[in-house]
Amino acid sequence: AQSVTQPDIHITVSEGASLELRCNYSYGATPYLFWYVQSPGQGLQLLLKYFSGDTLVQGIKGFEAEFKRSQSSFNLRKPSVHWSDAAEYFCAVGDSGNTPLVFGKGTRLSVIA
Amino acid sequence: EPEVTQTPSHQVTQMGQEVILRCVPISNHLYFYWYRQILGQKVEFLVSFYNNEISEKSEIFDDQFSVERPDGSNFTLKIRSTKLEDSAMYFCASSPTEMGETQYFGPGTRLLVL
Repeated sequence: AQSVTQPDIHITVSEGASLELRCNYSYGATPYLFWYVQSPGQGLQLLLKYFSGDTLVQGIKGFEAEFKRSQSSFNLRKPSVHWSDAAEYFCAVGDSGNTPLVFGKGTRLSVIA
Repeated sequence: EPEVTQTPSHQVTQMGQEVILRCVPISNHLYFYWYRQILGQKVEFLVSFYNNEISEKSEIFDDQFSVERPDGSNFTLKIRSTKLEDSAMYFCASSPTEMGETQYFGPGTRLLVL
């Protein structure tokens, strides 16, 4: 069965610092991988996705993620965090874009001045 | 930019009561989904709906749950007899049919069962 692990429940970074949120997945085939962000009172907004091709994918708001098959990882990165990036971040895996997604438990990001 | 909308944003109900959660998917999308997130837990898939029928459902989606697309725009989730453990945030999502597309989520309905 598919599963997603986000080992960090809560991360605090200083504004302007770099960020890496970890995501590990368990999946038998080539996965479709997603990162979503949820701001308070908002829905889940897609940051980026990986289906195939270049293993480094760019997303919105300056985020990127790298698919590493050998490590079963899809870590999310941003070189310089802004206070508005404070939110909950979810990694998800699926068979395709239309099939049910399996989510991780999320990582809450706090940004301090 | 088109969005998935959900109503109500919050609902409080008594145990045993029926609730209907409403969603308006993005207009040209054909796949619809419900997920839920119990406080402090993962977002979990409940059901997907395509071509006016359920295409997949999880083990959570038992006989007390049902979904319907009563008209061309709404997609509803009904819980017939709510239990305390149904308290959660319920997310609706929709996606187009093209391969490689993604699911777009609404803001959620927070359901509290007392």
